Amino acid sequence: QSALTQPASVSGSPGQWITISCTGTSRDVGAYKYVSWYLQHPGKAPKLMIYDVSNRPSGVSSRFSGSKSGNTASLTISGLQAEDEADYYCSSYTGSGTLFGTGTKVTVL
Amino acid sequence: QVQLVQSESELKKPGASVKVSCKASGYTFTNYAVNWVRQAPGQGLEWMGWINTKTGNPAYAQGFTRRFVFSLDTSVSTAYLQISSLMAEDTAVYYCARDVTTAGFDSWGQGTLVTVSS
Repeated sequence: QSALTQPASVSGSPGQWITISCTGTSRDVGAYKYVSWYLQHPGKAPKLMIYDVSNRPSGVSSRFSGSKSGNTASLTISGLQAEDEADYYCSSYTGSGTLFGTGTKVTVL
Repeated sequence: QVQLVQSESELKKPGASVKVSCKASGYTFTNYAVNWVRQAPGQGLEWMGWINTKTGNPAYAQGFTRRFVFSLDTSVSTAYLQISSLMAEDTAVYYCARDVTTAGFDSWGQGTLVTVSS
């Protein structure tokens, strides 16, 4: 199975909002409500930001929100802050396991 | 608090084996599955598979069925990843992660860098 497709990079200015897309197929993203999003700073382990499409774990800022339409999931970051600069990965359940996205580098201008 | 602590970095020669450990604390180990994720240098995340901590049954993703073995020692709340016949392409950071929901990993180990070089 190929990785889910994400844009290689997205950028925005502090205070703006950005959206990262995650495109899969009807066998993964489109089939299940199990889409998660992770933030990864350089040299660090990934951190769960969204699970089950739109749920935030305790302690994650409400500036992060998730949604899904058809075979594409999205992560929106509002009120962009310098600390949001990182790599972001989506993942989806596939029926037999987990598939990660290709990753998106978010740059805060 | 929930914590997964992995073993230290390893430098191995091609053809050797390595065993990475992942020790859990702060929760009941057998209540959550453990997943393994690989990240090659400068690359993205790749799901390797998971192990059911209640039954010990592992499941492997495509590409990780031959030289990779997941195991447990529930008496010390520890999961293991063993890789045999190491190749240069196995050079990567290996993470363990707790499965809080289907395909949602809420707690990760710090990662173990395995370097394969002659």
